[in-house]
Amino acid sequence: EAAVTQSPRNKVTVTGGNVTLSCRQTNSHNYMYWYRQDTGHGLRLIHYSYGAGNLQIGDVPDGYKATRTTQEDFFLLLELASPSQTSLYFCASREGLASAETLYFGSGTRLTVL
Amino acid sequence: GDSVTQTEGQVALSEEDFLTIHCNYSASGYPALFWYVQYPGEGPQFLFRASRDKEKGSSRGFEATYDKGTTSFHLRKASVQESDSAVYYCALGDLTGANTGKLTFGHGTILRVHP
Repeated sequence: EAAVTQSPRNKVTVTGGNVTLSCRQTNSHNYMYWYRQDTGHGLRLIHYSYGAGNLQIGDVPDGYKATRTTQEDFFLLLELASPSQTSLYFCASREGLASAETLYFGSGTRLTVL
Repeated sequence: GDSVTQTEGQVALSEEDFLTIHCNYSASGYPALFWYVQYPGEGPQFLFRASRDKEKGSSRGFEATYDKGTTSFHLRKASVQESDSAVYYCALGDLTGANTGKLTFGHGTILRVHP
């Protein structure tokens, strides 16, 4: 079973603050993803990556940066946090592109921007 | 762009009731289709998938059939249990073209099963 670990579990910051959410997967999966989950919107893709140094833009990228430093580590950066970014954030990983590949999710980071 | 529509935002049932959650999709290519389930306090977890027309996916008593003609992948279970209470997400995976690798989710359906 693939393991995806997110940290911190909870984070509170103020408007304009600088926040980094961390994600590590231990199965050397190629693809990693950042989603946000909001009531009424479900899961929305922010950014994703298919390897170290690669970054692909998702559906709701505004206000977010991301960086994939290694095969295992994918970070989501909010450089000027706003209340609209209060959400539950999930990281996920996936081995490859074949239709049989499954997405494995972490347990989430709850971010509150005051 | 690709999209997934789940008709029901919430479903309330009693144990042993029949469940249907409707999922329709719009995609330019020939996507793979998935159902994920999310229990309270956890991340979503894979339930099952289907990759081609008329293929049936199933797991834990849940099933869905890929229907390219009606662009649907409806989730069904014959007899639900209280432990099935969770949020269910339909998703599609774009395996071709410019969006390769991207997985698009519906808004989710909250299922509550009463004893």
